[in-house]
Amino acid sequence: GENVEQHPSTLSVQEGDSAVIKCTYSDSASNYFPWYKQELGKGPQLIIDIRSNVGEKKDQRIAVTLNKTAKHFSLHITETQPEDSAVYFCAASTQGGSQGNLIFGKGTKLSVKP
Amino acid sequence: GAGVSQSPSNKVTEKGKDVELRCDPISGHTALYWYRQSLGQGLEFLIYFQGNSAPDKSGLPSDRFSAERTGGSVSTLTIQRTQQEDSAVYLCASSLGHRNQPQHFGDGTRLSIL
Repeated sequence: GENVEQHPSTLSVQEGDSAVIKCTYSDSASNYFPWYKQELGKGPQLIIDIRSNVGEKKDQRIAVTLNKTAKHFSLHITETQPEDSAVYFCAASTQGGSQGNLIFGKGTKLSVKP
Repeated sequence: GAGVSQSPSNKVTEKGKDVELRCDPISGHTALYWYRQSLGQGLEFLIYFQGNSAPDKSGLPSDRFSAERTGGSVSTLTIQRTQQEDSAVYLCASSLGHRNQPQHFGDGTRLSIL
């Protein structure tokens, strides 16, 4: 089955700096890669996703890159702000078959210092 | 519009009791998922419903766990004879159910077994 590894587990940056979180996956059939932000006491909130036919996707200060050959994908947050502080999860899914669930990484706790 | 709604938000119960957790998905979403999040951990898939198809129960940790989805909408996750290791946040997500559609999460039920 699919396995997703996420690094680093914690990340501390100064406000205005960039933050990068990296994930690797094991199943070459995986074709959908979402990223979630989870604040304390809340459910995960989808912030960006990428499909396997795309190499990069941007949405304002957030971008995701995908390298299918190496089986890794990354989240990039530029010009970080204190409100970006949260736990970020990557996930992978092979939603082509009967199984539609996501396999999650263990999360990265991002702290943005003002 | 309304997001995924879960109830109760918190549940404290004694070991050995049965509990029922409820999920109201986003209207029109045919796919519904249950995940479990233990303290400081990623999300663990439990069960997946898609339309009228038989559910994918491959993530349920034991036969004490069951779930149903009535009328293709509301779902209930039942844990029988609860154990202390069942303490976690139980998250529900829904999606349009088509290939590679984003999953939207509720805020979860925090379950504490005394």
